[in-house]
Amino acid sequence: RKEVEQDPGPFNVPEGATVAFNCTYSNSASQSFFWYRQDCRKEPKLLMSVYSSGNEDGRFTAQLNRASQYISLLIRDSKLSDSATYLCVSSLGAMDSSYKLIFGSGTRLLVRP
Amino acid sequence: GAGVSQSPSNKVTEKGKDVELRCDPISGHTALYWYRQSLGQGLEFLIYFQGNSAPDKSGLPSDRFSAERTGGSVSTLTIQRTQQEDSAVYLCASSSTSSRNGELFFGEGSRLTVL
Repeated sequence: RKEVEQDPGPFNVPEGATVAFNCTYSNSASQSFFWYRQDCRKEPKLLMSVYSSGNEDGRFTAQLNRASQYISLLIRDSKLSDSATYLCVSSLGAMDSSYKLIFGSGTRLLVRP
Repeated sequence: GAGVSQSPSNKVTEKGKDVELRCDPISGHTALYWYRQSLGQGLEFLIYFQGNSAPDKSGLPSDRFSAERTGGSVSTLTIQRTQQEDSAVYLCASSSTSSRNGELFFGEGSRLTVL
């Protein structure tokens, strides 16, 4: 079983739609969580950290459910430029530590005009 | 440059040959990571350096893989006697311990093809 599991998609949505991705992690000792974005044939880049109380960054909202060991990402008012693969990430280290990150295989999002 | 630099960007080699992949992290970043990504797959952790030491090398797939870091900066990942299953994009990342969120900054990767 993978440590971080995601639905690979693809999610194919029209512009303006709201889309949600879920991810589950298997190690209950995981302390910090992130969403990274990876464009086709490019390197991953941090989209946002995930805080226990949930957090929002513009059109993006991330939530964490420690009891169920899942993380979610909600994208509102989808733009064409949101088309990418979204990687769910966990770490056994604290958010400001340099411990290794464990990546899921990613969920692919396609936003159509 | 300001970002993580990796070389070569592309490497095609024959099965059985040795290859060296280089990573130059962001200046001042003490943590350095190697991951690999096979086609359509997620990132697989290989090894992590804090300074010149490697507290976690648990992801190295076999003893054909080794990595070193010198001067707390440049790192080299060496794959001996390459096999076709080694074909992947090898990604290097660095982070600063002074970062509030431990963000990893990735290089563009070294695409390895073993024929």
